[in-house]
Amino acid sequence: AQTVTQSQPEMSVQEAETVTLSCTYDTSESDYYLFWYKQPPSRQMILVIRQEAYKQQNATENRFSVNFQKAAKSFSLKISDSQLGDAAMYFCAYRSPTGTASKLTFGTGTRLQVTL
Amino acid sequence: KAGVTQTPRYLIKTRGQQVTLSCSPISGHRSVSWYQQTPGQGLQFLFEYFSETQRNKGNFPGRFSGRQFSNSRSEMNVSTLELGDSALYLCASSTGQGFYNEQFFGPGTRLTVL
Repeated sequence: AQTVTQSQPEMSVQEAETVTLSCTYDTSESDYYLFWYKQPPSRQMILVIRQEAYKQQNATENRFSVNFQKAAKSFSLKISDSQLGDAAMYFCAYRSPTGTASKLTFGTGTRLQVTL
Repeated sequence: KAGVTQTPRYLIKTRGQQVTLSCSPISGHRSVSWYQQTPGQGLQFLFEYFSETQRNKGNFPGRFSGRQFSNSRSEMNVSTLELGDSALYLCASSTGQGFYNEQFFGPGTRLTVL
């Protein structure tokens, strides 16, 4: 079974600064998908960024980028130019490509605070 | 396009009762997945329905069940409620196939068991 670990329960960053959230995972599969989801206090889970394991190039979405290290099974999220609206819980998630199953395995989350 | 909707948003029940939660996916989506979110256990996968068939199931007792209708709307039922069932229940919809199969989450139903 796959597991996802987020070792930072809470992180804090000043507005306009850069912060990196860590995620490691364990799997025996060679191909899979990794995601970062954001859950603001309103509770609606939003996809931030995704990465296919077979792609060596790190994914980027505007101020959000990942550092995907397949051999180390590490998948960190970098948020540049942090904004107050980035304050939320961030979840790292894994999805197997087996069949067309949609099951996501989540980490325990990192609560990000953004200060002025 | 309307997003994923879940009803009710909040629910209070007592131990031993049963509850039914509803999820309406994005139009055109055929897959609905359910997750339980608690402070202690985090986000845990309950089950997934695709075209009215359960395609995947998490490690939950048989008190947790679900179904999907021909219009892709899904319901989950919890019987004989326990205090530990208090949680935020999230549903997510997707096309259920294809390369990305991106999941879109609803706002959740907050269930409190007294």
